[in-house]
Amino acid sequence: GAGVSQSPSNKVTEKGKDVELRCDPISGHTALYWYRQSLGQGLEFLIYFQGNSAPDKSGLPSDRFSAERTGGSVSTLTIQRTQQEDSAVYLCASSQPPRRETSGANVLTFGAGSRLTVL
Amino acid sequence: AQSVSQHNHHVILSEAASLELGCNYSYGGTVNLFWYVQYPGQHLQLLLKYFSGDPLVKGIKGFEAEFIKSKFSFNLRKPSVQWSDTAEYFCAAYSSASKIIFGSGTRLSIRP
Repeated sequence: GAGVSQSPSNKVTEKGKDVELRCDPISGHTALYWYRQSLGQGLEFLIYFQGNSAPDKSGLPSDRFSAERTGGSVSTLTIQRTQQEDSAVYLCASSQPPRRETSGANVLTFGAGSRLTVL
Repeated sequence: AQSVSQHNHHVILSEAASLELGCNYSYGGTVNLFWYVQYPGQHLQLLLKYFSGDPLVKGIKGFEAEFIKSKFSFNLRKPSVQWSDTAEYFCAAYSSASKIIFGSGTRLSIRP
């Protein structure tokens, strides 16, 4: 597609339920990031996929959070047993491979985000 | 650990005032540096980037940023702001074998 597509755009759930957030990156973008945007917290790194390499999961806040990327394209972020502090906007972004001399390398294209509200 | 710091959380300026937003990073070695902007109700979008070469880079809408390696800084500047510059601004850094990390953002409010 022309841009990064995220779904759902809004999700309201009850505490303790599991949620899945989906990201469809730009075709050909091998790098895919998930960030969490909370009020006053900026953009918190969650997880980074690059091609067939093992993902960098160092930003996931707890073992309730997981993500996968199937076929090097679509990614799903799963939050199990949601808590109120999980309420935030979850942003997905993709980019061309991180080769330094490529003008598009590391330039992220963001989706519109998925706003999660945990009651 | 790698980090990006933005010390100004909220900046309020009048139209035509000059702007400088601070950004410091802790990465060692070669870095790519970015400023992104999020206008109200819109996606995050790239404002400008530094990969190599001239440390003074120019972006869209009259913004520029200067990479000062000795200070680990990449401050964003604009000589004369407009009301339409009201937005949240994020600095970001990438280092090879790492990932792109963002600062906490600076909210810019412009008084018409």
